[in-house]
Amino acid sequence: NAGVTQTPKFQVLKTGQSMTLQCAQDMNHEYMSWYRQDPGMGLRLIHYSVGAGITDQGEVPNGYNVSRSTTEDFPLRLLSAAPSQTSVYFCASSRRQGIYGYTFGSGTRLTVV
Amino acid sequence: GENVEQHPSTLSVQEGDSAVIKCTYSDSASNYFPWYKQELGKGPQLIIDIRSNVGEKKDQRIAVTLNKTAKHFSLHITETQPEDSAVYFCAATPEGNYGGATNKLIFGTGTLLAVQP
Repeated sequence: NAGVTQTPKFQVLKTGQSMTLQCAQDMNHEYMSWYRQDPGMGLRLIHYSVGAGITDQGEVPNGYNVSRSTTEDFPLRLLSAAPSQTSVYFCASSRRQGIYGYTFGSGTRLTVV
Repeated sequence: GENVEQHPSTLSVQEGDSAVIKCTYSDSASNYFPWYKQELGKGPQLIIDIRSNVGEKKDQRIAVTLNKTAKHFSLHITETQPEDSAVYFCAATPEGNYGGATNKLIFGTGTLLAVQP
């Protein structure tokens, strides 16, 4: 039982490049979400999903796309990277829609130059 | 939407002293309030949570209190130890698009707790 696995751990992109941050969980959690963490701003919700085939926007969705074709995977796509997207990205999952605590991945540190 | 404010942003205490971190929230529909601990280079980990039908909850040296009328909740750590040093985040869930409470957690900005030996 690996929990929530994020890859890669570190990534450097050039402005304008695209990439996908991977997130997978093996706990059969229905709810998954992506957060970005910036100094002094805490964790801000980018996108979330309450189940396969269902996604919705969070607080800061611009510049990011998501899809949820399976229960296990919830990739985050950066369409055209910008320096403002330099951040640490966390994926989290939870048992089901309702009131349960999150399990977080270990994060992806992204730098856009 | 929901907004969560957290204070202080940094807190330094001596080993053995108590630490208190406070959060306020804006959406009166929020009814779940977890606290997370984040150690350097790791993802946040749930340490304690409280639901709106409870005013206080304890787990060994950690306690959380909730005042729904005033819309604020607090984390209390007693007998602090150096391993308590970390960033602590509070969070709250607002009503979601799918009706009722969801897991769309909104986080505070974090408190860096330093416990001096």
